[in-house]
Amino acid sequence: SQKIEQNSEALNIQEGKTATLTCNYTNYSPAYLQWYRQDPGRGPVFLLLIRENEKEKRKERLKVTFDTTLKQSLFHITASQPADSATYLCALGDSSYKLIFGSGTRLLVRP
Amino acid sequence: GAVVSQHPSWVICKSGTSVKIECRSLDFQATTMFWYRQFPKQSLMLMATSNEGSKATYEQGVEKDKFLINHASLTLSTLTVTSAHPEDSSFYICSADLTSTDTQYFGPGTRLTVL
Repeated sequence: SQKIEQNSEALNIQEGKTATLTCNYTNYSPAYLQWYRQDPGRGPVFLLLIRENEKEKRKERLKVTFDTTLKQSLFHITASQPADSATYLCALGDSSYKLIFGSGTRLLVRP
Repeated sequence: GAVVSQHPSWVICKSGTSVKIECRSLDFQATTMFWYRQFPKQSLMLMATSNEGSKATYEQGVEKDKFLINHASLTLSTLTVTSAHPEDSSFYICSADLTSTDTQYFGPGTRLTVL
């Protein structure tokens, strides 16, 4: 069955550093991959979408890579800030419009 | 743009009662809406896909008679948890698909606690 893995351990980094989060998947060929931010007790907020034919996407301090051979996506936040502290979810999608979510990685940025 | 609201944001009910949760797309029309459930420290699990004017499509293992979904208009979908039990206590989140963008916009979620 389809499986998405995100590091369940929290990532703890110093303000100003680059945070890198990993999303690995198996038994699936997604048409696109998305990253969401989720704060406690809130719904996810869409950040970036990258399609299977794209290698990299950027938006302000965010960068996403997508390697369909390795079945992996990396999510980078440069010049991280304490306000970036949240749980980040990756989600895979295809032509069915359904999304399959990973369990998320909690990021903590220390001032 | 692409704002989705949910009501109520939290609800506490007695076991055996029914609870209705509303999901609205405020500034766009959503042909398709999705309902998810999220338990603490776990992933969002898709419960059902709601299409305007037709019956919802439920994921495997989700009881359609227990979780009633109505998508009566392009801006409103409702989820009714019937005969709620403590094990139904969870965080319920809806999303609306913005057509042709492959992007889902999520509501703020509804925390359901069944006593």
